[in-house]
Amino acid sequence: QSVLTQPPSVSAASGQKVTISCSGGNSNIGNYYVSWYQHLPGTAPKLLIFENNKRPSGIPDRFSGSKSDTSATLGITGLQTGDEADYYCGTWDSRLSAGVFGGGTRLTVL
Amino acid sequence: QVQLQQWGAGLLKPSETLSLTCAVYGGSFSGYSWSWIRQPPGKGLEWIGEISHSGVTRYSPSLKSRVTISQDTSKKQFSLKLDSVTAADTANFYCARGSGSYANWYIDLWGRGTLVTVSA
Repeated sequence: QSVLTQPPSVSAASGQKVTISCSGGNSNIGNYYVSWYQHLPGTAPKLLIFENNKRPSGIPDRFSGSKSDTSATLGITGLQTGDEADYYCGTWDSRLSAGVFGGGTRLTVL
Repeated sequence: QVQLQQWGAGLLKPSETLSLTCAVYGGSFSGYSWSWIRQPPGKGLEWIGEISHSGVTRYSPSLKSRVTISQDTSKKQFSLKLDSVTAADTANFYCARGSGSYANWYIDLWGRGTLVTVSA
């Protein structure tokens, strides 16, 4: 049971937009920055978003992040088949004194 | 370009000790935290623990009693030891570079992963 809750799966048509939610509490999202990761099968995870809404160099602006209170959201616009992957949110948890990840959301592009 | 190269035994018997090492190439070792993260087959990412550039370690509460993370700054390497493994520890283990800040915690660089299988 992950500390951060994500939907197991989401889907949307190619070219459309999708959002992935990440719900936590005051000991984690409520007081810490959120990051997002893309994990394609057979590869290492990749950082997509840090500090709630910042993109590392090389990440297209189709990917965006936001945070409100104890929840965060990853948005992906202009969906492509190459975006099919597992997406994870992450943050620090002060109660556990540990890094924590959401359970992951599998994105299917129809 | 900074790269993480990891190695270690991929097949263990129950009760043995898992040992993995990760080397940092092409970049600085200081100023970051160095983490281990695992992914059991068909499951999500699980943070194991990290060591800061100053040597402070933090571990997942669920693994704390069995985990040791250490570093050799002269070699720009860090290591993971997990004692008394069972089949439940079978996973793909990643070494990773962290931001070095708890207030702004994130992982910005990952190794390629090592599949560790525990089987009698």
